[in-house]
Amino acid sequence: KAGVTQTPRYLIKTRGQQVTLSCSPISGHRSVSWYQQTPGQGLQFLFEYFSETQRNKGNFPGRFSGRQFSNSRSEMNVSTLELGDSALYLCASSPTGTDKGEQFFGPGTRLTVL
Amino acid sequence: QKEVEQDPGPLSVPEGAIVSLNCTYSNSAFQYFMWYRQYSRKGPELLMYTYSSGNKEDGRFTAQVDKSSKYISLFIRDSQPSDSATYLCAMSNYQLIWGAGTKLIIKP
Repeated sequence: KAGVTQTPRYLIKTRGQQVTLSCSPISGHRSVSWYQQTPGQGLQFLFEYFSETQRNKGNFPGRFSGRQFSNSRSEMNVSTLELGDSALYLCASSPTGTDKGEQFFGPGTRLTVL
Repeated sequence: QKEVEQDPGPLSVPEGAIVSLNCTYSNSAFQYFMWYRQYSRKGPELLMYTYSSGNKEDGRFTAQVDKSSKYISLFIRDSQPSDSATYLCAMSNYQLIWGAGTKLIIKP
């Protein structure tokens, strides 16, 4: 089975711009979660989508949003980028969801905001 | 106080040593316990998955869960330089909570 794929792998944006990141989960997985990872804050949960519905949401401002399509692919959008949004954004898929913890991660998208 | 505490390290040990990585937690409702390994510039990968208490062994890796002490451990036997990575613990009841990750360095 193909693993979780994320595009693009690297992205450079300037403050105030917006960005859209894409994630394709493992075939058959209905849950997709997004995380932000920084050296200072570690792995922080953004949100989880399950069968096109947002099931859980972390403590991030409304500038961070996401959606899931009928084929389980997911996109994450960050509007009005700030310098502090520079991070590795990870997508993880799961057959059952985050509640049982078994997740399969993609390689991440490294976002740099200048 | 964080729900899950994990020493960020770095922990540096010589090749061949037994490594012990630990996490403590405060929520007694956690039932699923996991260890993930993350190499530099990669996403985390699931290493060990345990439901409830007890031990689980997979090759050189052993995961232990002590629910009475709210303490989980990952042991790596015969450590190799290729084990150098960040190890994250995670646990869940209905919500998945992550530790900060411990950076492990195995010196040849």
